[in-house]
Amino acid sequence: TQLLEQSPQFLSIQEGENLTVYCNSSSVFSSLQWYRQEPGEGPVLLVTVVTGGEVKKLKRLTFQFGDARKDSSLHITAAQTGDTGLYLCAGRGGSNYKLTFGKGTLLTVNP
Amino acid sequence: KAGVTQTPRYLIKTRGQQVTLSCSPISGHRSVSWYQQTPGQGLQFLFEYFSETQRNKGNFPGRFSGRQFSNSRSEMNVSTLELGDSALYLCASSRTIGTSGANVLTFGAGSRLTVL
Repeated sequence: TQLLEQSPQFLSIQEGENLTVYCNSSSVFSSLQWYRQEPGEGPVLLVTVVTGGEVKKLKRLTFQFGDARKDSSLHITAAQTGDTGLYLCAGRGGSNYKLTFGKGTLLTVNP
Repeated sequence: KAGVTQTPRYLIKTRGQQVTLSCSPISGHRSVSWYQQTPGQGLQFLFEYFSETQRNKGNFPGRFSGRQFSNSRSEMNVSTLELGDSALYLCASSRTIGTSGANVLTFGAGSRLTVL
């Protein structure tokens, strides 16, 4: 069974601060995705990374896939209140390519 | 284009009852996956359907079942409900089956089930 551990579980910061969220596993994934979920909604895909060492930027968000494709990080620069939400990482791998989700990091950005 | 539509959005049932949840995927999407989301366990995979056939199954008891119709719409059923079945049930659709490394899932808003 492939498991993804996300840390921290909860994060509360002030607007303008920087933060990093981590997603770690002992398993290798063929690809890894990050989603953001807001209350009352389903998760929305932010990015997909497929190559070890890959770095992708989406405005103030920077995503990195580890060289060994076992871990990933999400860095947010100058957080805004609109960044508040549950951030989920999800890895695809194994013989059936099932998508496995981490339990998420609940981010609260205070004004 | 219309997104993934799940009905009902909220429902309350009692222990022992059964429930059927519906999911209409994005037009053109042939794969539908179902997930259970709870605060303690996060998102857990239930099953994936493609072209009316179940292609993948998670580690849930047989009380959880699903099906997909020829128009790609999907339903999931939970029989003999237990208190622990209270959760947000999410449906996601995609163009292809999950074997593609970069396969993109689009989620619906979910059906929130409360079992009393």
